[in-house]
Amino acid sequence: GDSVTQMEGPVTLSEEAFLTINCTYTATGYPSLFWYVQYPGEGLQLLLKATKADDKGSNKGFEATYRKETTSFHLEKGSVQVSDSAVYFCALSATGGSYIPTFGRGTSLIVHP
Amino acid sequence: EPEVTQTPSHQVTQMGQEVILRCVPISNHLYFYWYRQILGQKVEFLVSFYNNEISEKSEIFDDQFSVERPDGSNFTLKIRSTKLEDSAMYFCASTWVTGDNEQFFGPGTRLTVL
Repeated sequence: GDSVTQMEGPVTLSEEAFLTINCTYTATGYPSLFWYVQYPGEGLQLLLKATKADDKGSNKGFEATYRKETTSFHLEKGSVQVSDSAVYFCALSATGGSYIPTFGRGTSLIVHP
Repeated sequence: EPEVTQTPSHQVTQMGQEVILRCVPISNHLYFYWYRQILGQKVEFLVSFYNNEISEKSEIFDDQFSVERPDGSNFTLKIRSTKLEDSAMYFCASTWVTGDNEQFFGPGTRLTVL
């Protein structure tokens, strides 16, 4: 079945460092891919998404490119801030199906001043 | 800005007891969902609900689980006889239309079964 694998956390960075959180997926067909973020005490929020190969999703300085050849959707940000500290979830949604997202385990990001 | 709310934020119960987790979805949304995340594991889909009936459920959602929309605002998840392995974070989500659309999640209820 469909699955999403994320890098283990926590990821600990200093402010203004470069961020990469790896995500790879297994799916039949051509899924849509998502990154959700969960700030402390809040629900998961959609951060960005990409619906087809080579699409780049971007929001709040975060980017991720849908790479079909490597089945990846790595999350990147050029310069993180303390306020980016949160848990990040990679997810996929199989098109033509029920659209129920399949999530990864989440990666905790801690940014120090 | 409208948001999904969940109560309580933390529920502690004894094994074998019934629990009801409550959610208030965003008011004009039509599709409702429950997910759970056991500590350190993936967020797992439990059930989706539309037009006052279950539209899809996972293998996890067995006879011990039930969902209800008792009025126009609440959406509840009931676990009839809790087991230790039901300890998890439970998330409610809603959206106004199905498909590749953003689901809006609540902050979660942490259920601890002793």
